[in-house]
Amino acid sequence: ETGVTQSPTHLIKTRGQQVTLRCSSQSGHNTVSWYQQALGQGPQFIFQYYREEENGRGNFPPRFSGLQFPNYSSELNVNALELDDSALYLCASSLDQGDSYEQYFGPGTRLTVT
Amino acid sequence: AQSVTQLDSQVPVFEEAPVELRCNYSSSVSVYLFWYVQYPNQGLQLLLKYLSGSTLVESINGFEAEFNKSQTSFHLRKPSVHISDTAEYFCAVTLTGGGNKLTFGTGTQLKVEL
Repeated sequence: ETGVTQSPTHLIKTRGQQVTLRCSSQSGHNTVSWYQQALGQGPQFIFQYYREEENGRGNFPPRFSGLQFPNYSSELNVNALELDDSALYLCASSLDQGDSYEQYFGPGTRLTVT
Repeated sequence: AQSVTQLDSQVPVFEEAPVELRCNYSSSVSVYLFWYVQYPNQGLQLLLKYLSGSTLVESINGFEAEFNKSQTSFHLRKPSVHISDTAEYFCAVTLTGGGNKLTFGTGTQLKVEL
């Protein structure tokens, strides 16, 4: 059983560019959530995908978008990057229909916007 | 909307001493409560959770937390810390039935010293 993996590990982009971050969920998990963790802050919920449909969204602008694929892996896309988008982006997978309320987090992608 | 307050940004403590990391939450509806730990350059790991039942919950590595509904608190305690406990600790909540969409506090850096 493999854990949650994310790619790339680190990324440097210029303001105004677009970026795609990837997440492979833990085997058997059908739900993926994305979080943004700015330096010195707690993670903030961006959105969640359940069986390829968006299932809730936090207070993030529409330039943050996502996808979930039939194998339950997921992408986070950010358009028109701003300096404040610099952060650690975490994805977490879970089996939404379970009662355990346990999420498994990946190691994150560190995005730097210059 | 719910919120989480972790008043202590840093807690220094000597090895084998007891420690308490404070967490207070605000919500107009019932919530589930969690503590996550983040080691340097790693993702978040679930430490313990309160969903229902006994208000005192324990982790496998000696941490415990007590849900206090009247004080809206979920403080984390350990009677004797080890160097290996040095990490960032995050308190989080989700609405009951909220499907793993977590609201995190800003975190407490626990630094265990010899």
